[in-house]
Amino acid sequence: GEDVEQSLFLSVREGDSSVINCTYTDSSSTYLYWYKQEPGAGLQLLTYIFSNMDMKQDQRLTVLLNKKDKHLSLRIADTQTGDSAIYFCFTGGFKTIFGAGTRLFVKA
Amino acid sequence: NAGVTQTPKFQVLKTGQSMTLQCAQDMNHNSMYWYRQDPGMGLRLIYYSASEGTTDKGEVPNGYNVSRLNKREFSLRLESAAPSQTSVYFCASSEARGLMNTEAFFGQGTRLTVV
Repeated sequence: GEDVEQSLFLSVREGDSSVINCTYTDSSSTYLYWYKQEPGAGLQLLTYIFSNMDMKQDQRLTVLLNKKDKHLSLRIADTQTGDSAIYFCFTGGFKTIFGAGTRLFVKA
Repeated sequence: NAGVTQTPKFQVLKTGQSMTLQCAQDMNHNSMYWYRQDPGMGLRLIYYSASEGTTDKGEVPNGYNVSRLNKREFSLRLESAAPSQTSVYFCASSEARGLMNTEAFFGQGTRLTVV
């Protein structure tokens, strides 16, 4: 079956870069996604990458994909307090499996 | 655009009571899902419906039943609520294409407490 693993917590200082990592087992998806969940809210799509790309840049966000190692990462440049949230990677598999998510804490 | 709408937003039940969580989407999506989210556990799939008329168990289906009433609506029923079912419940929908799914859209969640 599908499996997604992420570290549970990440703490950074405001203005620093954040890197959130994800490893997965199901590599059949056309797209891989990052979702953001703010407190008390549902998940919202943050960004995604096409599976035949290595990197995608979207303003402060950089997604890196290593298909060989089945590793996906999300880099947030100049992290702000508003970036504090839980971040989930999602590999788009049929049963839509999500990992536990990474809780990002941003210290002022 | 309403997207995915869940009702109610909050609910307190006594142990043994039953209730149905409602979910509706207006994006004409084929697939719909129910998840529960518990601290440190991420999102766990309870049931999903790949298309109208079909439902399948996810990772944690025990104690729940679902109904895909039509393409828009997917309800989750707790027949006899237990404190272990205290959680935040999310409904989601996506456009299934073969065995893959495109972006999933989520409702705002239902915070359920069973006392």
